[in-house]
Amino acid sequence: DVKVTQSSRYLVKRTGEKVFLECVQDMDHENMFWYRQDPGLGLRLIYFSYDVKMKEKGDIPEGYSVSREKKERFSLILESASTNQTSMYLCASQTPGPGIGYTFGSGTRLTVV
Amino acid sequence: GENVEQHPSTLSVQEGDSAVIKCTYSDSASNYFPWYKQELGKRPQLIIDIRSNVGEKKDQRIAVTLNKTAKHFSLHITETQPEDSAVYFCAASIPPGTYKYIFGTGTRLKVLA
Repeated sequence: DVKVTQSSRYLVKRTGEKVFLECVQDMDHENMFWYRQDPGLGLRLIYFSYDVKMKEKGDIPEGYSVSREKKERFSLILESASTNQTSMYLCASQTPGPGIGYTFGSGTRLTVV
Repeated sequence: GENVEQHPSTLSVQEGDSAVIKCTYSDSASNYFPWYKQELGKRPQLIIDIRSNVGEKKDQRIAVTLNKTAKHFSLHITETQPEDSAVYFCAASIPPGTYKYIFGTGTRLKVLA
C-alpha cells in the first residue's frame, strides 16, 4: 500500500510565525496535493505539484507557498501564520493515469493562536 | 469554475436501511467521480469511483450511479451497518485530465443500531 506520511498530527503556532508542514510519500508518485478541510466547506485545494520543482495554484493559495525539491516530499509553507489558517491540512499523492484516486495522509491539525 | 454540491449534509438511518447521498457537478467535461469515506479522526479513503463512460458501478453493498445529462451522481449504501457511520465526500475531476478534483462539502452519515 502507498504510504503518505505527514510529519505532525497536531501543531500549535503563534500568529506571524513561519510554519512548515511536511508530507512524504513512498511510492514514487508524480502528483502531490495539499488540501485544507474545514467543517461545512469540505476539502479545498491549496496547491498541487506534478513533478519535482513544478507547482500550480489551487483554489485557495493566498497565504501559502509550497516546495518540492524531491519527488517524495511536498512541503506546505505558511509564510506568516494567521488565525484564519487554523484548519486540518491533508496531503495526498497520486500516480498519473485516467481516473486514479488519491491516497491521503493522516492530516495535520494546525491551530494558530 | 467547477462546483460540486452535495446533499444532505447529515443523514441518519436505522441499521439495515439504505442510505443515498447525492451530488451535482457544474462542468459537463468532468469525467471521473470518486467517493471518499472519512471515519472520525482518520484520513479520507477512496471507496468507489465511476468514470463518465459508465452509468453505474457496484461493489458489494455500495453502488454509484451517474447521470451525465443531469450532471448528477449518487452513492447508494444498502443494508447499512454501524461501521458505515462516517463522513462521505463526493468529488468531480476538474477538466482537462482526471488528476485534480473538486470536492463536495461532505455528508455525515450516522447509522443507528
